[in-house]
Amino acid sequence: DADVTQTPRNRITKTGKRIMLECSQTKGHDRMYWYRQDPGLGLRLIYYSFDVKDINKGEISDGYSVSRQAQAKFSLSLESAIPNQTALYFCATSDSTTAQHFGDGTRLSIL
Amino acid sequence: GENVEQHPSTLSVQEGDSAVIKCTYSDSASNYFPWYKQELGKGPQLIIDIRSNVGEKKDQRIAVTLNKTAKHFSLHITETQPEDSAVYFCAANFHNNAGNMLTFGGGTRLMVKP
Repeated sequence: DADVTQTPRNRITKTGKRIMLECSQTKGHDRMYWYRQDPGLGLRLIYYSFDVKDINKGEISDGYSVSRQAQAKFSLSLESAIPNQTALYFCATSDSTTAQHFGDGTRLSIL
Repeated sequence: GENVEQHPSTLSVQEGDSAVIKCTYSDSASNYFPWYKQELGKGPQLIIDIRSNVGEKKDQRIAVTLNKTAKHFSLHITETQPEDSAVYFCAANFHNNAGNMLTFGGGTRLMVKP
C-alpha cells in the first residue's frame, strides 16, 4: 500500500548495533502497528499505538522499542540487535473499523 | 487473546481449478475476519473480509464463508490464474484493554501451475 511507507526496505547490520526502522502514512489513520514476519509463523505483533501518546506492547515486544512521533509516523528500534531478530518487519495502519493496511516491509538481516 | 490456525501451509493447483484455504479461531467473541494476499516483495493486501452477521461474501472469483458455531472460516478462489500465486493470510479480531486487534494465521503459500 503506497500510503504506508517503510524505510529502509533492506538493511544488513551486525550484532549489537542499534537500528531504527521508520514508518510513515498518508491515510490519516490514528492506529499504527509493527509486526514481525518469520516463515511459517505468520505476522506477530510487536507494538501498537492507537494515538500519538499511546504505546502498547504486543505479543513479542522484548528487545524492541517504539516511538510515535506524530499521527503519521511510528518508528521501531532494536537497541542492541541480535541474529534471531533477522526477519521481515511490517508496519500497518487502521482506523476504528479494524481493517489494517500494510507497508511493503523492511527485510532486516543481523550478522 | 485469540488463536488462529490456518491450513494448508502450501497448496498447489492447476490453472482453472479451485483453491480452498481454511482457518479456525478460538475466541467466540471474534466478529471480523479479513483475508490478506501477500505477493513477493510486498506487504499483505486486504482482498476480502467478512463480519459475523453474514455467512458468506463474494467478490468476483473469491468468496469467504463463515461458520460461527464451529468457529471456522474459509477462502474460496475459483478459476485460479497464475497471478493468484501468493501467500494468503487469514485473521480474526479480538478485544483487549487497548481496543480491537487482529491475530493472523500462519499463512498458506498458493501455487497455480499454468
